[in-house]
Amino acid sequence: EAQVTQNPRYLITVTGKKLTVTCSQNMNHEYMSWYRQDPGLGLRQIYYSMNVEVTDKGDVPEGYKVSRKEKRNFPLILESPSPNQTSLYFCASSSPGLAKNIQYFGAGTRLSVL
Amino acid sequence: SQQGEEDPQALSIQEGENATMNCSYKTSINNLQWYRQNSGRGLVHLILIRSNEREKHSGRLRVTLDTSKKSSSLLITASRAADTASYFCATGGGGADGLTFGKGTHLIIQP
Repeated sequence: EAQVTQNPRYLITVTGKKLTVTCSQNMNHEYMSWYRQDPGLGLRQIYYSMNVEVTDKGDVPEGYKVSRKEKRNFPLILESPSPNQTSLYFCASSSPGLAKNIQYFGAGTRLSVL
Repeated sequence: SQQGEEDPQALSIQEGENATMNCSYKTSINNLQWYRQNSGRGLVHLILIRSNEREKHSGRLRVTLDTSKKSSSLLITASRAADTASYFCATGGGGADGLTFGKGTHLIIQP
């Protein structure tokens, strides 16, 4: 089954404790993105990746890091989480082909930073 | 960046009625997409309409696009309780930088 898998689904942590949210897709998609969703602000893109070892900042990259060492994986790293990073996070993947950038989303990771 | 804005922010209708949501965007587009999000879940792609298309159908969904007005509408006919969700329009250039989403319309179908 084609899917984007995020882990964990729920995470409660404390300020300053490094964490990683993993994302994996099995569709051989070149493009991958991370979004955060906040009430009243909608979805905003954090980082995106065109392919292995190629990443770039989205609209709200501050406080986040990503890496793309393998095509299927695109982890999101919070080196020193802060309460304003409490949010619902989504990983998405897409292909540049005929699908015209239709995004396939993971189920989401709800993060609370205390 | 391009951005869609949905209207209304929330809509409550009776089961069986039609639901219409609107989206406006700011700049020229190659295509516009609509997504559905069930509460707290990931977004699911519903339909894509290209800039040279005026109307597109998929099951109970009908999407229109008016590029002169920079607007699109999503019509869900014969609504069902399972249609309760948030609906987002999204625009993008087709590149790796993904899509820009509106803030969504929250649709509630009353049984």
